[in-house]
Amino acid sequence: QVQLQASGPGLVKPSETLSLTCTISGDSITGYYWSWIRQPPGKGLESIGYIHYSGSTGYNPSLQSRVTISVDTSKSQFSLKLHSVSAADTAVYYCARGSPVFDTWGQGTLVTVSS
Amino acid sequence: EIVMTQSPATLSVSPGERATLSCRASQSVSINLAWYQQKPGQAPRLLIHGASIRATGIPAAFSGSGSGTEFTLTISSLQSEDFAVYYCQQYNNWPLTFGQGTKVEIK
Repeated sequence: QVQLQASGPGLVKPSETLSLTCTISGDSITGYYWSWIRQPPGKGLESIGYIHYSGSTGYNPSLQSRVTISVDTSKSQFSLKLHSVSAADTAVYYCARGSPVFDTWGQGTLVTVSS
Repeated sequence: EIVMTQSPATLSVSPGERATLSCRASQSVSINLAWYQQKPGQAPRLLIHGASIRATGIPAAFSGSGSGTEFTLTISSLQSEDFAVYYCQQYNNWPLTFGQGTKVEIK
C-alpha cells in the first residue's frame, strides 16, 4: 500500500522560498503522476500542480510564476518550491498520487508564513 | 477557470438517514468530476471519480450521479464515520478546481 510523507520547514519568512519534499513508500514512483494540493486553515482545497515521473509538469496558472515541482526517482521523492511567499501562502500542503484525480494523499504538513 | 459551487454549506442529518449533496459547475465538465471526504485533521480521501465510479474500497452506500454541470453525491444511510466535509472537484479543464465543501453534521 503506497504511503506519502511530506516534510519540510513549518515556518517560512515572507518573500523567502517554501520548500517541501514528498517521500513515497510502498510502491514505485514510476508510472504515475504526483501532485501538490494546499488548504489554507479553515478553507477549501487548491491544486498547485503535478509532475509525471518522467519529469513533465503542469502548474496552476495562479501560482505558475512562483512554483517549481521536481522529481528524484532514485530517492522516490518529488518536491515543491514556492518562491516569494506571503501570508496568503500559509496552508496545509498535501502531496498526493495522481493527476487529475488524487487517489492517495499524504497526511499534510502545515506551513506558516510569518516573520 | 471553472467555478464549482456546492450546496448546502452544511447538512444536518440523523444517523441512518440519507444525505444528498449537490455540486454545480460554472460550465460543462462532462463526467470529469470527483468527490472527496475529509475528516477533521485528516487528508481528503477519494470517494468517487468519473462522476459515478466508486474508488477502491469505498462502500456501496456512497453513490455519485450527474453530468455536464449538475452532480449529486448520495450517502444512502449515514453512519457515524460518515460525518465529515465533502468536496467535489472538476478535472475537465485546467486548472483543476474544487468546490468549497459541504459539511455533513449530526442532527
